Amino acid sequence: EIVLTQSPGTLALSPGERATLSCRASQSVNSDFLAWYQQNPGQAPRLLIYGASTRATGIPDRFSGSGSGTDFTLTISRLQPEDFAVYYCQQYGSSPGTFGQGTKVEI
Amino acid sequence: QVLLQESGPGLVKPSETLSLTCSVSGYSIPSGFYWGWVRQPPGKGLEWIGSVYHLGNTFHNPSLQSRVTISVDTSRNVFSLKLNSVTAADTAVYYCARVAGSTTGPIDVWGQGTMVVVSS
Repeated sequence: EIVLTQSPGTLALSPGERATLSCRASQSVNSDFLAWYQQNPGQAPRLLIYGASTRATGIPDRFSGSGSGTDFTLTISRLQPEDFAVYYCQQYGSSPGTFGQGTKVEI
Repeated sequence: QVLLQESGPGLVKPSETLSLTCSVSGYSIPSGFYWGWVRQPPGKGLEWIGSVYHLGNTFHNPSLQSRVTISVDTSRNVFSLKLNSVTAADTAVYYCARVAGSTTGPIDVWGQGTMVVVSS
């Protein structure tokens, strides 16, 4: 199975700053089938990005995804208070769909 | 609006079978998509369990495959998860989900999750 490694584990930033989150795959992700999710405490994850760079419905344009092959990035251009959460990447090009271990973005 | 709601026991004894059902509203399962299960142990990350298509095709995580059964009941618009021979390691929040693309993702609709504790 494909192992996804996210870095950093924790990112300490302030509102208004730019956040850059990394997701590296142990092998190439088929068709760039890579998604990003946001999870707040006690809540279910929410889909942000799929296909490596396509924003899901209703997701603000401050969220952007990039990358291909084995290296992917989620960028939050200007952090809003509601963006402080845990972010997971998931590859769904090969079964089983695997998740990274998460990056916590904290104030 | 598509809504998913998990239901089932919150406490299961070791070696017994965990059984959960996901009720889907706002969308008819036979219209398409895979429908799946993801779990999250307390304080840990996400693990994909498996998914089912309305025709009954299923895909499971190999790490759990021998213990997992996922089924669909289109007449009730629900799908279900059974995990047998559970241990404490199966304690987790279990989410049901709509899988929008391939058999395993992306997941565009999530249930609220239900906590299942394995303990005697």
